[in-house]
Amino acid sequence: GAVVSQHPSRVICKSGTSVKIECRSLDFQATTMFWYRQFPKQSLMLMATSNEGSKATYEQGVEKDKFLINHASLTLSTLTVTSAHPEDSSFYICSAGYSGEVSYGYTFGSGTRLTVV
Amino acid sequence: GQNIDQPTEMTATEGAIVQINCTYQTSGFNGLFWYQQHAGEAPTFLSYNVLDGLEEKGRFSSFLSRSKGYSYLLLKELQMKDSASYLCAVMDSNYQLIWGAGTKLIIKP
Repeated sequence: GAVVSQHPSRVICKSGTSVKIECRSLDFQATTMFWYRQFPKQSLMLMATSNEGSKATYEQGVEKDKFLINHASLTLSTLTVTSAHPEDSSFYICSAGYSGEVSYGYTFGSGTRLTVV
Repeated sequence: GQNIDQPTEMTATEGAIVQINCTYQTSGFNGLFWYQQHAGEAPTFLSYNVLDGLEEKGRFSSFLSRSKGYSYLLLKELQMKDSASYLCAVMDSNYQLIWGAGTKLIIKP
């Protein structure tokens, strides 16, 4: 089945530094990847939609200069949290569609727990 | 606007049956998904319904009524490991997933 590999799974960083999160589709081509953020006991919040070879589409209220998304190839998308602050601490998850087959839904990466101290 | 509603929390007993409801109002419809999410982990796919009716998959079944904007996830023979959040999501006309807030299911011995 479709697999999305996401890493790191956990990262602790100092306030003001930047953190890069990678998502790779291992056995399929992901033309579109979605980046979500999830705070404790809350549902997934879509941050942006990443399309291979073009600029990401950000949801309202998400700062594109703070959350840099790059989708340079059909198998790799990255999210960089720049100048991280404690309020950016959250669970970040990527997901990708499986070769356009809607019935498989979207496969999720395993998530990245970011803690900014 | 687009809206997905599901109960915040439910409690059930090990070995019993529980039904988690989901109602939706979205811009277009390309299917409804149920995902399971254990605490601290990413969601995992459970089921997909695009036509009316019941889809059965082992202990889990999912039902859809498009005319009523309604779905439910039925879990039978509950096990302690079924304690998790269950997320209802609808794929809209743009093939974007619209997520419910999730239902936290607590299983008691």
